[in-house]
Amino acid sequence: QSVLTQPPSVSAAPGQKVTISCSGSTSNIGNNYVSWYQQLPGAAPKVVIYDSDKRPSGIPDRFSGSKSGTSATLGITGLQTGDEADYYCGTWDNSLRAWVFGGGTKLTVL
Amino acid sequence: EVQLVESGGGLVQPGRSLRLSCTSSGFIFGDYAVSWVRQAPGKGLEWVGFIRSKAFDGTTEYVASVKGRFIISRDDSKSIAYLQMNSLKTEDTALYYCTRATLGSGNYYMDVWGRGTTVTVSS
Repeated sequence: QSVLTQPPSVSAAPGQKVTISCSGSTSNIGNNYVSWYQQLPGAAPKVVIYDSDKRPSGIPDRFSGSKSGTSATLGITGLQTGDEADYYCGTWDNSLRAWVFGGGTKLTVL
Repeated sequence: EVQLVESGGGLVQPGRSLRLSCTSSGFIFGDYAVSWVRQAPGKGLEWVGFIRSKAFDGTTEYVASVKGRFIISRDDSKSIAYLQMNSLKTEDTALYYCTRATLGSGNYYMDVWGRGTTVTVSS
């Protein structure tokens, strides 16, 4: 059972938009920045959003992040088949004094 | 090229020890924290622990399930980080990733990942 809650799966058609939610508490998301990681099949994870809403260089602006209260959201527009992956949110938890990940969301581009 | 390469994984019996290494290149290793993240077969990501840079006293943090058993250390002169795993349990079986942890606006995030090394704990 993860400290951060994500939907197990989401799906959408190519070209459409999808959002992935990440719900936490005041001890983690509520008082810390969130990062998001994309894990393509058979590959190591890669950061796509950091500081809740910033994109690393090389990440297309189709990817966006936001945070409100104790929840964060990853948005992906103009979906491509190459976006099919598992996505994880993560942040520091002040009570646990540990980094925590969400359980992951499998994105399927139909 | 900024790179992290893990090594040292393998098959080990429960109760035994194993030391993983994370060799870096392409950046000033000593300027960054290093985090270890593991992924059990077919499961999600689990943070194991991290070590801050010397600028932040090189202190460490661990997930509760490995506290007292795992130790993270670093040798900045060699640009290598280590994960010493003692009293291994079958539930420690996973692919272990080494990551570079960069300090953002207020928190770390993992911006460089190795390809991982597999640890299998089994009798």
